[in-house]
Amino acid sequence: DAGVIQSPRHEVTEMGQEVTLRCKPISGHDYLFWYRQTMMRGLELLIYFNNNVPIDDSGMPEDRFSAKMPNASFSTLKIQPSEPRDSAVYFCASSGGGGLNQPQHFGDGTRLSIL
Amino acid sequence: SQQGEEDPQALSIQEGENATMNCSYKTSINNLQWYRQNSGRGLVHLILIRSNEREKHSGRLRVTLDTSKKSSSLLITASRAADTASYFCATDRSSNYKLTFGKGTLLTVNP
Repeated sequence: DAGVIQSPRHEVTEMGQEVTLRCKPISGHDYLFWYRQTMMRGLELLIYFNNNVPIDDSGMPEDRFSAKMPNASFSTLKIQPSEPRDSAVYFCASSGGGGLNQPQHFGDGTRLSIL
Repeated sequence: SQQGEEDPQALSIQEGENATMNCSYKTSINNLQWYRQNSGRGLVHLILIRSNEREKHSGRLRVTLDTSKKSSSLLITASRAADTASYFCATDRSSNYKLTFGKGTLLTVNP
């Protein structure tokens, strides 16, 4: 079975540009999570969805960040405008069956570099 | 602040030795999970232990949970070079069930 699929795997762009990260969760999973991983702060939860509805976006750092889930098989995380401090690895994860605290399945991440 | 914190930050051992990593947390939990992350990859779930369980095994993995001390340990027996990775504990808060990850232990198993 296919796992969580993220694209692109790497993104290098200049400050001020719009960045869009994409995620396809595992079919049938009803929770989708976006995380950011840095050396300094570790793995931080940015936002999560349940049945395509955003439930908690308290981890989104600024209004420059937005996330959508138009259907059960696709989500995007957008940064506009991007800044060098947004450089990090962004992970998408999904889980299903049993609630928010069940094991999560992670994609391999998007390594984002803002110059 | 981090809910779970792993100790040590880094651990280097020889192949065949056992590796023990610890996790401490601050608030009451429903369950605690351990994940592995290989370099350049996403996290992979290893094992989940519920707050009413004290010990759980999965293959070469043994996890213990002491809720009175708010701590857990992950033991990997007979380590292999392929076990080289970062290991994270993740705890939920009994109040809201959201998972919070620690900063991980980097395990290096030398062949």
